[in-house]
Amino acid sequence: EVQLLESGGGSVQPGGSLRLSCEASGFSFSTYAMNWVRQAPGKGLEWVSGISTSGYNTQYADSVKGRFTISRDNSKNTLYLQMNGLRVEDSAIYYCAKDGVATISFHGYFDYWGQGTLVTASS
Amino acid sequence: DIQMTQSPSTLSASVGDRVTITCRASQSINNWLAWYQQKPGKAPKLLIYKASILESGVPSRFSGSGSGTEFTLTISSLQPDDFAIYSCQQYSSHPWTFGQGTKVEIK
Repeated sequence: EVQLLESGGGSVQPGGSLRLSCEASGFSFSTYAMNWVRQAPGKGLEWVSGISTSGYNTQYADSVKGRFTISRDNSKNTLYLQMNGLRVEDSAIYYCAKDGVATISFHGYFDYWGQGTLVTASS
Repeated sequence: DIQMTQSPSTLSASVGDRVTITCRASQSINNWLAWYQQKPGKAPKLLIYKASILESGVPSRFSGSGSGTEFTLTISSLQPDDFAIYSCQQYSSHPWTFGQGTKVEIK
């Protein structure tokens, strides 16, 4: 059974940092691209970042480029999102999402999602 | 960036109704489109990918169609478990983008 378990969310002041983690199990983690998708309270889904199987290729939404860094450790079956310079508008539930196709780069749809972790940036 | 626009934003329907949700892309995305269902407090669930391919385990009352810039999600006979928010997503080019969502509520 595929499981994605996020952790690391919490409350921080604007300008602060957080590191999210997503521990994966039940599939061959190293053969799938992985992503972070967020959802602000009462709002729609927003793709944040994606990373290829090796970690060599990364992509970011313009809204987080230069502030967030995605990475992965295939030996630990874990995906990360380092978030620096957090803004009020970054407050959201952050989901870890598995790419739907085993490919070296990205395919683009998400067949499994974690339960999400809440990030709140507020003074 | 490719903009995805769904209509309607809210849809009121009864059990047994046929329901159709439309998703339009600001430029051609061929058939690189997915549909998700989301219930309150839960993560999204994949229903359809590549515009019309039903994800394993998803009931056959769900179907998807379209290509290029216009797509539809149809529920042939709405069931009580189907009241939720439905979102489309393009994966033709980065950044992947979602529609704003369509809430299907009980009439």
